[in-house]
Amino acid sequence: EAGVAQSPRYKIIEKRQSVAFWCNPISGHATLYWYQQILGQGPKLLIQFQNNGVVDDSQLPKDRFSAERLKGVDSTLKIQPAKLEDSAVYLCASSLFGSDQETQYFGPGTRLLVL
Amino acid sequence: DAKTTQPNSMESNEEEPVHLPCNHSTISGTDYIHWYRQLPSQGPEYVIHGLTSNVNNRMASLAIAEDRKSSTLILHRATLRDAAVYYCILRDGNAGNMLTFGGGTRLMVKP
Repeated sequence: EAGVAQSPRYKIIEKRQSVAFWCNPISGHATLYWYQQILGQGPKLLIQFQNNGVVDDSQLPKDRFSAERLKGVDSTLKIQPAKLEDSAVYLCASSLFGSDQETQYFGPGTRLLVL
Repeated sequence: DAKTTQPNSMESNEEEPVHLPCNHSTISGTDYIHWYRQLPSQGPEYVIHGLTSNVNNRMASLAIAEDRKSSTLILHRATLRDAAVYYCILRDGNAGNMLTFGGGTRLMVKP
């Protein structure tokens, strides 16, 4: 079974530029998550989708970050404009139903460096 | 979410057992104890979880204290591929499926 796919794997941009990340979850998984992981810290949830609806985006900096999952499958996360402190690994994860105690499956992440 | 406390780092020798501790003194009755690990340059992966009883699977064992205020992840024979950051996470059984990561324990395995 294919895992969670993410692209690109690496991205270097200058501050104030825009960037977008793409995620393809495990086939059939209804729930999709985006996490931000700053170097030396654990991942922090940015947004959670159930199918194409947002369940939780309380920690998403909405002035510069946006995410969508239009057809309930793939998702994109965008940063516009980027700041130096956005340098991090952006992880996508999915789970089958989004129910209690369900395992989340993570992709390899996109490493972003903002100069 | 209730907080967990883990050592920042631990070292182990290859092929020896490893005991990774986690303290969660404010755990509530509905909190499950989950462990994930993150290998270098990869996303986290599920290891094991439990509520009250000790649990075993092909990857590891989870020993939960009787008062549930601490738990220990046991790798029975560490290999070089077990070098990773191990996260102990409490998940509320009544609050959906959130994962709140702390800093974890970086396990180094020496050949």
